[in-house]
Amino acid sequence: DAGVIQSPRHEVTEMGQEVTLRCKPISGHDYLFWYRQTMMRGLELLIYFNNNVPIDDSGMPEDRFSAKMPNASFSTLKIQPSEPRDSAVYFCASSLEGTGHNQPQHFGDGTRLSIL
Amino acid sequence: AQKITQTQPGMFVQEKEAVTLDCTYDTSDPSYGLFWYKQPSSGEMIFLIYQGSYDQQNATEGRYSLNFQKARKSANLVISASQLGDSAMYFCAMREAANTGNQFYFGTGTSLTVIP
Repeated sequence: DAGVIQSPRHEVTEMGQEVTLRCKPISGHDYLFWYRQTMMRGLELLIYFNNNVPIDDSGMPEDRFSAKMPNASFSTLKIQPSEPRDSAVYFCASSLEGTGHNQPQHFGDGTRLSIL
Repeated sequence: AQKITQTQPGMFVQEKEAVTLDCTYDTSDPSYGLFWYKQPSSGEMIFLIYQGSYDQQNATEGRYSLNFQKARKSANLVISASQLGDSAMYFCAMREAANTGNQFYFGTGTSLTVIP
């Protein structure tokens, strides 16, 4: 079975440019999560969706960040304009609804973003 | 207060020996799940093992087992017969059943190095 697929794997761009990260969750999963990982702050939840609807975006750093999930098989995380402090690894994860608390989140391989 | 605490930033273990990675958690929810993830140097996050709060037995998955001590609120990961490929970061995570969004709380991770 295909896992969570993220693209691109690596992105290097200049400050001020728009960056779009893409994610295809595991088919049938109800939840989709976007995380950011840095050495300083560890793994941070940015936003998550349930059945394509954004539920909690309180982790989004600022208005430069936006995320969409137009359908059950695709999500984007956009940064516009990008800044050097946005450099990090961005993970997408998906999970089933499950009963209570027993469903793991399955992660993509991440996008390593470098803003020069 | 931190929901998940991993107090060992780095650990070393001799190849073929067993190693225990510590994780303590904080919750007032009687129903919760505990998860461990492995992040090798290549960057992906790999789900290893799950323990439910009502599970009577400690979870096991191959060489991984979870030493679950509910009264102490600890969920330590035990890796038996360590292999060089076990060198990685290990993250403990928790989901509370009352959290309807399947949101996970992650620890800061433990870096494990297996020495030949």
